[in-house]
Amino acid sequence: KQEVTQIPAALSVPEGENLVLNCSFTDSAIYNLQWFRQDPGKGLTSLLLIQSSQREQTSGRLNASLDKSSGRSTLYIAASQPGDSATYLCAVFYSGNTPLVFGKGTRLSVIA
Amino acid sequence: GAVVSQHPSWVICKSGTSVKIECRSLDFQATTMFWYRQFPKQSLMLMATSNEGSKATYEQGVEKDKFLINHASLTLSTLTVTSAHPEDSSFYICSARPTGTSNSPLHFGNGTRLTVT
Repeated sequence: KQEVTQIPAALSVPEGENLVLNCSFTDSAIYNLQWFRQDPGKGLTSLLLIQSSQREQTSGRLNASLDKSSGRSTLYIAASQPGDSATYLCAVFYSGNTPLVFGKGTRLSVIA
Repeated sequence: GAVVSQHPSWVICKSGTSVKIECRSLDFQATTMFWYRQFPKQSLMLMATSNEGSKATYEQGVEKDKFLINHASLTLSTLTVTSAHPEDSSFYICSARPTGTSNSPLHFGNGTRLTVT
């Protein structure tokens, strides 16, 4: 059974710092990997989706990398801002009409 | 873009009552929808896979007689929490992708916060 692990579980940084969130998955036979943001009590906002054939994706201050063979992905946030405070979820997808498998998330607090 | 609407966004009910949550795909058809549950500070856990015109498939540990799923049309799936108890208080969220687009990203509803008193 696929398991997705996110480290750290929580992170607090001062504004302006660059930071890295980690995600690992046990079964490397994924089709793609997706990073989401979730604000307290809210739904999911998709940030980046990386296909299994890709190494990284970038959107603004966010950069996600994927090393499928080692079962790892990282989400890099540059020049963090208080508005980045949220829970960041990593999820993997196999193929076909199947669901996503989520990690437990990393709760990020960016202190002004 | 594809939109999934979930209703209600929050609900408070008394212990022992039933609550129905609706999940609609607004601009696409979805043969399959997925229902997740998220307890505080926990991840989204798949509860069941809802299939249009047939029985839902439940994950291990999820009581099918307690969490009734009805996928009566290609744009609507409902989750009914029957005889709700305080331990059912959670965040429920549905997701779907357009029929015939296997491997495409899932679209998520905004979730339903259920509080059972």
